[in-house]
Amino acid sequence: KAGVTQTPRYLIKTRGQQVTLSCSPISGHRSVSWYQQTPGQGLQFLFEYFSETQRNKGNFPGRFSGRQFSNSRSEMNVSTLELGDSALYLCASSFSGPGELFFGEGSRLTVL
Amino acid sequence: AQTVTQSQPEMSVQEAETVTLSCTYDTSESDYYLFWYKQPPSRQMILVIRQEAYKQQNATENRFSVNFQKAAKSFSLKISDSQLGDAAMYFCAYRRSYGKLTFGQGTILTVHP
Repeated sequence: KAGVTQTPRYLIKTRGQQVTLSCSPISGHRSVSWYQQTPGQGLQFLFEYFSETQRNKGNFPGRFSGRQFSNSRSEMNVSTLELGDSALYLCASSFSGPGELFFGEGSRLTVL
Repeated sequence: AQTVTQSQPEMSVQEAETVTLSCTYDTSESDYYLFWYKQPPSRQMILVIRQEAYKQQNATENRFSVNFQKAAKSFSLKISDSQLGDAAMYFCAYRRSYGKLTFGQGTILTVHP
């Protein structure tokens, strides 16, 4: 069974640009959530999608947005990039119920 | 709001020995889940062990076991017979029945041969 797949793995952008990251969950998983990982702030929750609806949202500015498609694949978008957006962005999927999340390898974003 | 605290930024252990990583959490909920995740240098977060709050018995997965003290809101991870492949960042995490994971700051574990 394929795991959570995130693309791209690495990307470099400049300030002011926008970026879109993609996540394909484990087959059968309908919940997808996103986390930002930085050395200073650790792991912070961005948002969670379930059946194409945003179910939870973390404390991030409106420049961070996401969506989920009918096949459960998810994308997150960051507009007007800032230097502080440089981070590892992790996607996780799960079944609809409680329990653990399964993580992808992450997308490493560098903003210059 | 729920918080998770890992008070040990770094720990080290000799190969084949035992090490315990500490974690405390704060919540007003009675039904929740606790996890230990491992993040090796390759970056992928891997689940090590999970504990349901309603279960009194401590979870065990091969060389990994937890000491879950619900009243004290403590959730430590014991790694027995440590191996070189255990070297990684370990995160303690909390989750209500649904919703986001709240992570601790992580503990870097070094295993010496």
